[in-house]
Amino acid sequence: KQEVTQIPAALSVPEGENLVLNCSFTDSAIYNLQWFRQDPGKGLTSLLLIQSSQREQTSGRLNASLDKSSGRSTLYIAASQPGDSATYLCAVPSGGYNKLIFGAGTRLAVHP
Amino acid sequence: DAGVIQSPRHEVTEMGQEVTLRCKPISGHDYLFWYRQTMMRGLELLIYFNNNVPIDDSGMPEDRFSAKMPNASFSTLKIQPSEPRDSAVYFCASRSAGAGAGNTIYFGEGSWLTVV
Repeated sequence: KQEVTQIPAALSVPEGENLVLNCSFTDSAIYNLQWFRQDPGKGLTSLLLIQSSQREQTSGRLNASLDKSSGRSTLYIAASQPGDSATYLCAVPSGGYNKLIFGAGTRLAVHP
Repeated sequence: DAGVIQSPRHEVTEMGQEVTLRCKPISGHDYLFWYRQTMMRGLELLIYFNNNVPIDDSGMPEDRFSAKMPNASFSTLKIQPSEPRDSAVYFCASRSAGAGAGNTIYFGEGSWLTVV
């Protein structure tokens, strides 16, 4: 059974810091891995999707890496801003690529 | 496109009442998903449809829960009778089948259900 773990559960940093969020999964036979952002009271927004054949994906100040063999992914946020404050979740498909298993998320607060 | 649209955004109901949550997926999307989010269990997939047909409902917690998709632009999730432990945020999401595993999934803003 696939399990997804995210560390840390919460993070508070001053503006401008570079930071790393971690995601680990127990079954390395995945099609892809996605990172999402959730703002309070809102739905999830997909940030990055890494295919199983890829090592990383970049979008602006975000960079996500994937190491299937070790069951790990990291989300790197460069030069953090207060607007980055949100919960970040990672998810992998399990039992077919439509059934996403989510981690519990990392709650990020970036203070000015 | 306006994105995935859910209604109601907030619902407070008494235990035993019927609750119906509604979802309009993004036009042209082939897949529709219903998720539930709670503090204790996080995000869980309840059921998903492909081309209006339910494919996997193994996440539906009990027979009190049912979901339908009568056409490509509308789906409902019904709880009857509701119980306090059903209190959660229910998300609808959709995606296109175009590129298989590589397509982005889009979430609605959720229906916040409180059963008292």
